[in-house]
Amino acid sequence: GAVVSQHPSWVICKSGTSVKIECRSLDFQATTMFWYRQFPKQSLMLMATSNEGSKATYEQGVEKDKFLINHASLTLSTLTVTSAHPEDSSFYICSARGRGHSYNEQFFGPGTRLTVL
Amino acid sequence: GQQVMQIPQYQHVQEGEDFTTYCNSSTTLSNIQWYKQRPGGHPVFLIQLVKSGEVKKQKRLTFQFGEAKKNSSLHITATQTTDVGTYFCAGPSAGGTSYGKLTFGQGTILTVHP
Repeated sequence: GAVVSQHPSWVICKSGTSVKIECRSLDFQATTMFWYRQFPKQSLMLMATSNEGSKATYEQGVEKDKFLINHASLTLSTLTVTSAHPEDSSFYICSARGRGHSYNEQFFGPGTRLTVL
Repeated sequence: GQQVMQIPQYQHVQEGEDFTTYCNSSTTLSNIQWYKQRPGGHPVFLIQLVKSGEVKKQKRLTFQFGEAKKNSSLHITATQTTDVGTYFCAGPSAGGTSYGKLTFGQGTILTVHP
């Protein structure tokens, strides 16, 4: 149990376009989902926290208008990178915590590697 | 703000040698978690420690939570090539316990030479 999927696993796009990444909890209800970005050989940096049915809470320095997060249901959250630029190229990982599991335990998706040309 | 520091950043060992990574928080933690990320993969939960001075073992891995609940360590005995990856510690973010937010350490990248 506790499987989180992400789609797509990788994406290459042109500068200025928007990219949507989906994060799904497959076998549990995710009351909270987290979005991280990770640069090569670096740690996970939390971008935002989203609770089902409410607006996402963004970390300091993360532009909410650029990284749109929607947590429409207990099994789906989406991150849209709007007007992507090369500096947005990174590994984006979602995680989820939810019912039936330890409060603090997060289950990570496989990540989405975004390359902006 | 809250900081979670991990050392060393890199560790290269020969297969069979032991390995230890250390994690220190600037604030007292209610719990600490450890994750492993294989090259090209995503973080996978290993364990959570909650009690002061707690020690837990998973086969060749030994996890320890400090008495003051501000530091932790992960020790691997007799490393194998399958242990390769980045090991992260993570603690609840200050002020974020209502959402389960975590602050991750920088990670220790372990390479094992056969």
